[in-house]
Amino acid sequence: AQKVTQAQTEISVVEKEDVTLDCVYETRDTTYYLFWYKQPPSGELVFLIRRNSFDEQNEISGRYSWNFQKSTSSFNFTITASQVVDSAVYFCALSEAEEWVTGGGNKLTFGTGTQLKVEL
Amino acid sequence: KAGVTQTPRYLIKTRGQQVTLSCSPISGHRSVSWYQQTPGQGLQFLFEYFSETQRNKGNFPGRFSGRQFSNSRSEMNVSTLELGDSALYLCASSQMTGTSGNEQFFGPGTRLTVL
Repeated sequence: AQKVTQAQTEISVVEKEDVTLDCVYETRDTTYYLFWYKQPPSGELVFLIRRNSFDEQNEISGRYSWNFQKSTSSFNFTITASQVVDSAVYFCALSEAEEWVTGGGNKLTFGTGTQLKVEL
Repeated sequence: KAGVTQTPRYLIKTRGQQVTLSCSPISGHRSVSWYQQTPGQGLQFLFEYFSETQRNKGNFPGRFSGRQFSNSRSEMNVSTLELGDSALYLCASSQMTGTSGNEQFFGPGTRLTVL
């Protein structure tokens, strides 16, 4: 069965520090998607990135970067020069191809989240 | 374009009662998924609807049910409420289903408290 592990429950950093959030996943599927979402105190999940299992290229978007390594089943997220506005809970999630078979492909399996606190 | 809206935002019920939560997806989106978020269990998938049909279901008891209307709006119902049903219920909409990896947009959630 699919599983997503975010071992870091809470991370505290000082503004401008770099921080990496870890995500390890388990799946039997060869075709799958990985996601990162941000949940600010308001509660709404905000989509950050999607990566499919055939694309191991790392991605950079501004201060955000993602490192996908199939060999270690990891999809880590790095924030460079963190800011107070980055404070939130970050979730890694997995979507498997086998869910398509039922006709519903939008099921996400989430990790337990990492609470990031960025202080001045 | 308006985002995903959920009503009500907050709800207080007592054990044994039933509750109905509503979700209006982004215009043009036909897939609606529901998730329950609790401190103990985290974010868990409840079900997904597309074109008024349930396409996928999570591991929840039959007290949890849902439906989708022809305008893609969705409701979920929880009957015979238990204390453990206290949670943030999130709704997500997507243009498509039947394939994986679709971008989903989440609403602000409904905070349900069961006393």
